[in-house]
Amino acid sequence: DQQVKQNSPSLSVQEGRISILNCDYTNSMFDYFLWYKKYPAEGPTFLISISSIKDKNEDGRFTVFLNKSAKHLSLHIVPSQPGDSAVYFCAASVNNDMRFGAGTRLTVKP
Amino acid sequence: DAGVIQSPRHEVTEMGQEVTLRCKPISGHNSLFWYRQTMMRGLELLIYFNNNVPIDDSGMPEDRFSAKMPNASFSTLKIQPSEPRDSAVYFCASSSDRKGGDTQYFGPGTRLTVL
Repeated sequence: DQQVKQNSPSLSVQEGRISILNCDYTNSMFDYFLWYKKYPAEGPTFLISISSIKDKNEDGRFTVFLNKSAKHLSLHIVPSQPGDSAVYFCAASVNNDMRFGAGTRLTVKP
Repeated sequence: DAGVIQSPRHEVTEMGQEVTLRCKPISGHNSLFWYRQTMMRGLELLIYFNNNVPIDDSGMPEDRFSAKMPNASFSTLKIQPSEPRDSAVYFCASSSDRKGGDTQYFGPGTRLTVL
């Protein structure tokens, strides 16, 4: 039962442009949402999060948007840099139970 | 802080053998999670502990898998007997209890190959 879905397995963008990664969830009880970034041969690292009481959280080049009515989450990276190339996992949690999406591989081309 | 430590980083074993993966969480964290990453299913939660007590093991695939947390600084995930379909990267993560959500910190993972 995939409660968190990332329907795009990969995304390729040009350096300097905006990257938009999308995520959908099914469990309306989730109250905390996170994005993790993963480089090859490393564990996922926390990138940015948002509580269900907010609809936007910004941290430098990274902004997460939450649309609770649509059960949709997105991560915007602007401007995209080649070092952003990685796999991005969307995650949603309630009461310490965290579920991850399958990941989207972002490639930023110079 | 050294972060979450996992060992071994790589494990190659033959079908039927017992495999034990180890994890040392970040000091002071009281929740520990075991995940499995595969190409098909992404990151799956296998089990998590809070204050050394297993809270949810519904993600453990079958009885061949078991996990323990004898103290706050150590956990093991055991597969006995191992099968080729168990081949995956296994991650351990830890977090501290906090209202409003928890950020989990992941170890580097153990890449398991069962031949």
